[in-house]
Amino acid sequence: DTEVTQTPKHLVMGMTNKKSLKCEQHMGHRAMYWYKQKAKKPPELMFVYSYEKLSINESVPSRFSPECPNSSLLNLHLHALQPEDSALYLCASSQEGDQPQHFGDGTRLSIL
Amino acid sequence: GENVEQHPSTLSVQEGDSAVIKCTYSDSASNYFPWYKQELGKGPQLIIDIRSNVGEKKDQRIAVTLNKTAKHFSLHITETQPEDSAVYFCAATRNHNNDMRFGAGTRLTVKP
Repeated sequence: DTEVTQTPKHLVMGMTNKKSLKCEQHMGHRAMYWYKQKAKKPPELMFVYSYEKLSINESVPSRFSPECPNSSLLNLHLHALQPEDSALYLCASSQEGDQPQHFGDGTRLSIL
Repeated sequence: GENVEQHPSTLSVQEGDSAVIKCTYSDSASNYFPWYKQELGKGPQLIIDIRSNVGEKKDQRIAVTLNKTAKHFSLHITETQPEDSAVYFCAATRNHNNDMRFGAGTRLTVKP
């Protein structure tokens, strides 16, 4: 069982919908990450939160909006997504940037 | 920024044989190199990592070697088993830099 929990596991949404992905960890980690993974590709970094502050935004379109309500939770708010946004969205956490990142099992997102 | 190259993209071995996956990195300041295993429907799971002050690290059937001068590192799996079949990713990052870059991945198949 993974120590990083992501919900939902699967999500199908239309291009006009608004939805949110959620991530939770209770390991006391202070850095949390969102990655996007397309089929047969490596994870691509989207956002990094360090001590609940956004530290890295990899030029992600504004239709993806991250939020870190507290040190254990990370959300990704979705709005007006495009079909090419269909992918596996992974959350991870770590103590510091050069410490092991622990991944959840992801949310598989499909945009109709 | 960091660029990580990984070879081969696919690897098929017989059960009991050894498997070797190689990665090179471009940023000489990178000093943390994790390896992840990703099974179907799961998130990446850390299997071993190495820091730049160490040349080799071993954990049972898995070992990683690092050549800082040549900027390459390798994963070695001995006595392979069918359950080792998965996609393996190498990665690299710097101290306190939350920006971890992944290699393209290697699909390992272990034939019984």
